[in-house]
Order: sequence, then C-alpha cells, then structure tokens
Amino acid sequence: QLQLQESGPGLVKPSETLSLTCTVSGGSISNFYWTWIRQPPGKGLEWIGYISHTGSTNYNPSLESRVSISVDTSKNQFSLYLSSVTAADTAVYYCATWVPNWFDPWGQGTLVIVSS
Amino acid sequence: DIQMTQSPSSLSASVGDRVTITCQASQDISNCLNWYQQKPGKPPKLLIYDASNLKTGVPSRFSGSESGTDFTFTISSLQPEDIATYYCQQYDHLPWTFGQGTKVEIK
Repeated sequence: QLQLQESGPGLVKPSETLSLTCTVSGGSISNFYWTWIRQPPGKGLEWIGYISHTGSTNYNPSLESRVSISVDTSKNQFSLYLSSVTAADTAVYYCATWVPNWFDPWGQGTLVIVSS
Repeated sequence: DIQMTQSPSSLSASVGDRVTITCQASQDISNCLNWYQQKPGKPPKLLIYDASNLKTGVPSRFSGSESGTDFTFTISSLQPEDIATYYCQQYDHLPWTFGQGTKVEIK
C-alpha cells in the first residue's frame, strides 16, 4: 500500500524559498496525481497544487505566482517549491495522493516555520 | 473559487448521540464532495467520497448525503474514538477547496 513521507527544512527565512520533497513508497509514482496541501497552525486546509507523473501541473491561483511542483520518477519523489515566503506561509505541509477523486493516502506532514 | 461553508464550527455531544455536520457549496458541485477526519497531530483521513460512499474499512456509523448544494455528514452513534475535526472538500472545480472544519468533542 502507498506510503508518503515529507522531508525538508523545518525553518525557512523570510523572502527565501521553501523546498520540500515527498517520497512515495509501496507503489509507483507513475500513477495518479501527486499533491501538496498545507495547514497553518490551528487552522484549516488549503490545497496548493498537483503534478502528474508526466509533469503536468495545476496550482491554486492564490499561490500560483510563487509555487512550483516537480516530479522525479526515477526516485519516486515529487517536490514543492514556494518562493518569497513570509510568516503567513508557516504551516504543516502535507503531501497526498490524488486518486481521482479524493486525497488518499496522506503523508504525516512536516511543520515549516518561516522566521529569521 | 467555490466556497464550502461548514457548520457548526464545533460541537459537544455525548457518547451514543447522533451527530450531524453540514457543508453548503457556493454553487452546484454535483456529488463531488469528500469528508475527512483529522485527529490532533495527524493527517486527515478519507472517510466518505462522492458525497455518500463509505471508504472500505470505515465504520458504518459514518454516513454522508446530499441535497442540491447542501451536504450532510452523520455519525449515527458517537464513540470516544470519533473525537476529531471533520472537513468537507469539493473537487468539482479547481481550485479544490475545503470547509473550515468541525471540531467534535465529547460532552
């Protein structure tokens, strides 16, 4: 069964780029769609975007100017890049599988704090 | 964006009570709605997909229904392990959006 695990720095300075990687195990990344979702502390969920194994992407317009998602099928990984971060980007970032038409499974999440 | 208005934001009920959460979409989304359960410190887990279909392995006390742009999530008999925050999520239109969440507590 599919398992996802996020990795990356837990602290990012304001104006810098947040970079996270999600490693997929228990199955091939050459199926489904691969997504990022975030959750500010004590708040609700926000879909960030998705990528397919062929590299086609779709991003939330609220973040589109700053976000990029890439995939590395050879490593069964996909990555999130969010530029020009501010304190408002502090959140738990989840990677998840979009099995049309639901998110399942999810990674455990990783907290990223934006602070100098 | 499609707005998902979820209510109530929190509720307190006794073990064995019937619990109902509603989600209203700002426009027609057909049956393109999922329900997730999130326990503290954990990622959300899918419970119900396509408005009313129970994911395999999820207890049958959980159910979902739809009526136009109104969606209902029900726990028929609240159990202590159901303490969590529940979210609806629409996927009919990009960007996919979530409701604000309903925190369920035991009275």
